[in-house]
Parts: sequence; structure tokens; C-alpha cells
Amino acid sequence: EPEVTQTPSHQVTQMGQEVILRCVPISNHLYFYWYRQILGQKVEFLVSFYNNEISEKSEIFDDQFSVERPDGSNFTLKIRSTKLEDSAMYFCASRRTERTTQYFGPGTRLLVL
Amino acid sequence: EDKVVQSPLSLVVHEGDTVTLNCSYEVTNFRSLLWYKQEKKAPTFLFMLTSSGIEKKSGRLSSILDKKELFSILNITATQTGDSAVYLCAVEAETSGSRLTFGEGTQLTVNP
Repeated sequence: EPEVTQTPSHQVTQMGQEVILRCVPISNHLYFYWYRQILGQKVEFLVSFYNNEISEKSEIFDDQFSVERPDGSNFTLKIRSTKLEDSAMYFCASRRTERTTQYFGPGTRLLVL
Repeated sequence: EDKVVQSPLSLVVHEGDTVTLNCSYEVTNFRSLLWYKQEKKAPTFLFMLTSSGIEKKSGRLSSILDKKELFSILNITATQTGDSAVYLCAVEAETSGSRLTFGEGTQLTVNP
């Protein structure tokens, strides 16, 4: 069964460094999402992406964040200058249409020191 | 702002018990409510509910939505230790982007 995949599974970085989190959505899916979950807290929406542009973003998704679909398969989240409070699990999700289920990847655990 | 409240926040039961997890919500222009199971990492999909009163069933799990009273329940019968997980409820509105808004989750522990 097709799955959303994410790399790396874990990333440790120093505050102020740039990180890129990578996702490969399910191949026939058209809508892509990033969520994050700070340890012990709710899953929070960051951004949605369709037709090569951002559809919606949350207040968390400030100028330090960007997303890109550089080719036909990858979907990336970049954090330009990481802060301690960016430490979280980051989940990518995808769906085929707006009426179908969002399927989540296994996540990337980001730790900012 | 969309809001999802789940209860209880945690629940400890014995194998074989039946549990009911609750989810109430407030959302403008409701589209759907979803239940996910989160064991160690990614939320895995259980149910998507869009219509009131129609029960969705998958093995020992079932769920129903009440759009008038703005809540949903997830039932698990004959619980097993493998059901131990966090169960997440999320809602989606009819908006561009279609974000999911999650509740805090119910931590279910099933003891042998």
C-alpha cells in the first residue's frame, strides 16, 4: 500500500542553522500539508500546498518557513534560522482530492540545541 | 477559530473492556470529522465522518457523528493491549487548503 515517506527520521541542529525536511507524498496525491507536534502537545497545522502554491498557512508559518515542490515527487519544508522552540515532530501529509482522507508520514523529529 | 475538545484525556482499562471516546467540536462550515490512532509516530487513519447518524465500523472499532450536537464518539469493543495508543479527533472545514484542526487526544492504555 502506498505510503507517505519522510527523511530524515531524526535531525539535530544548532540554533540559527537552516534545516530542510523532506517528504515524498503518495504518488497520485495533489494536496500536501505540513503539521508539527511539540512534545506533549496537539498536532498543529502549518501549511497546505496545491497546484504549486500555498493554499493556506497558519500563524506559526512565519517568514522563517518555506515550502517547495522541487520536482514531481518531493515536498520540502525549510526552516531558515532554527529556534529552540522549533523543536518538534514534523509530519507531512497528502491527499488525492479535497474530499479524501489526509494520510500522514512517519514524521521527522527535529531537535534544536 | 475552529476548536476540538476530546474527553477523557486519558483512560486505563483492562483487556476485554469496551471504551467510548468523546470528541466535541466547533467549526465554521463543517466538512468532515476524522479519527486517527497515534501509537509512536504518525497518526494513522481510522474513520472519516461527514454525515450525522451513520455509523462507520471497522472490526471492533466504530464511530458516529452528531452534527446537531457537534460531537462524535469512537467506540472500541473487546479491547486488546494493541489498542493502547493516543486517539486523535480532527475536524476539517470547507475552506481553501482544508487544514485539519486536532484535539489533544485521548491516551488509552489497555492492561492485560
